[in-house]
Amino acid sequence: NAGVTQTPKFQVLKTGQSMTLQCAQDMNHNSMYWYRQDPGMGLRLIYYSASEGTTDKGEVPNGYNVSRLNKREFSLRLESAAPSQTSVYFCASRWGVPMADSPLHFGNGTRLTVT
Amino acid sequence: KNEVEQSPQNLTAQEGEFITINCSYSVGISALHWLQQHPGGGIVSLFMLSSGKKKHGRLIATINIQEKHSSLHITASHPRDSAVYICAVRGNQFYFGTGTSLTVIP
Repeated sequence: NAGVTQTPKFQVLKTGQSMTLQCAQDMNHNSMYWYRQDPGMGLRLIYYSASEGTTDKGEVPNGYNVSRLNKREFSLRLESAAPSQTSVYFCASRWGVPMADSPLHFGNGTRLTVT
Repeated sequence: KNEVEQSPQNLTAQEGEFITINCSYSVGISALHWLQQHPGGGIVSLFMLSSGKKKHGRLIATINIQEKHSSLHITASHPRDSAVYICAVRGNQFYFGTGTSLTVIP
């Protein structure tokens, strides 16, 4: 079982460049999330998708866009990278049925450096 | 304002010691999650609980809903337990603690 697959694992960008982080899950989960992890801070939500066809902003959405391409895939795009976006990015998914809790499943992370 | 506070931030233990990591939260929740993040970065879910206690191998998680507090215990700690342990709660969204970095020395 692949679980949550996230690519790439590492990326270095110059300021102003663009890139897309890819995420796919094979668990038929409804909800998918993009988080960033910075030293000394908890995971912070960038965007999430409660179900196929819907996306919503999280705590730190500025500078990012997302696409829920289908139930499996949820991509994160940086249109014009800035040094403040240097971080480790995690994609996560969960079953997400209303009124029922379920554990989060995480990808292995993307370490992004913007110079 | 931190909705989830963990203590301690860092913890070093000798192999075999009993370890406790604490988590306090300030929001109404439907469930609390304990996560483990190994060096190299991957995050895995250890427990999800909304009441009482759960046990998996040498790991035990407890929650006191009235006091808004949870503990993660590791019995007979081992160097392979060295990792960052993250407490997360689900209210209207997920809130994450900053993690407890555990090092177990042989």
